[in-house]
Amino acid sequence: AQSVTQLDSQVPVFEEAPVELRCNYSSSVSVYLFWYVQYPNQGLQLLLKYLSGSTLVKGINGFEAEFNKSQTSFHLRKPSVHISDTAEYFCAVRIPMDTGRRALTFGSGTRLQVQP
Amino acid sequence: DGGITQSPKYLFRKEGQNVTLSCEQNLNHDAMYWYRQDPGQGLRLIYYSQIVNDFQKGDIAEGYSVSREKKESFPLTVTSAQKNPTAFYLCASTGMGLIEQFFGPGTRLTVL
Repeated sequence: AQSVTQLDSQVPVFEEAPVELRCNYSSSVSVYLFWYVQYPNQGLQLLLKYLSGSTLVKGINGFEAEFNKSQTSFHLRKPSVHISDTAEYFCAVRIPMDTGRRALTFGSGTRLQVQP
Repeated sequence: DGGITQSPKYLFRKEGQNVTLSCEQNLNHDAMYWYRQDPGQGLRLIYYSQIVNDFQKGDIAEGYSVSREKKESFPLTVTSAQKNPTAFYLCASTGMGLIEQFFGPGTRLTVL
């Protein structure tokens, strides 16, 4: 079975500073990787996904993530954050061979708090 | 606009009552999912359905039931057997050839 670990439950950062949200996964087979964002009392919105190919993935709102197979990591980065980036961020995996269930396994989330 | 709707947004239940959460999608997706979200625990899969009139238990199905009579609809019933039902419930869907899941806005259930 696969699992996802988000190493930081909360990340405070000042506006216009860079940020990295960390995600590590465990799986005996290859995976698809995702980052979702959740604003307060809302559903999840896809930020970006890694399926294959280039290990650097660019997403919406200026976010990017890098897949590192040897480290089994998929860290999310943004060079300059805005107040509006304050939200909870979830890393998730899915097994490509699982064509039936197609479910996602989520990490516990990281709350990004951008301060003025 | 295509999307997923969930209703109600907020729901209050007395102990011992069953309640049903609605989830509707107009994306023509074949698969639908229910997740439960608790603070600091991420999302956990309750039930999923790959096709009409068929559904399977997820990781935390005890105390919940679902039905899938129409492709667009996947209601979740939280029964009195669910010991700790207060949580945020999210419905999601995906279609053939898609990799990611699409989420509804959620329903916050509070047991009084």
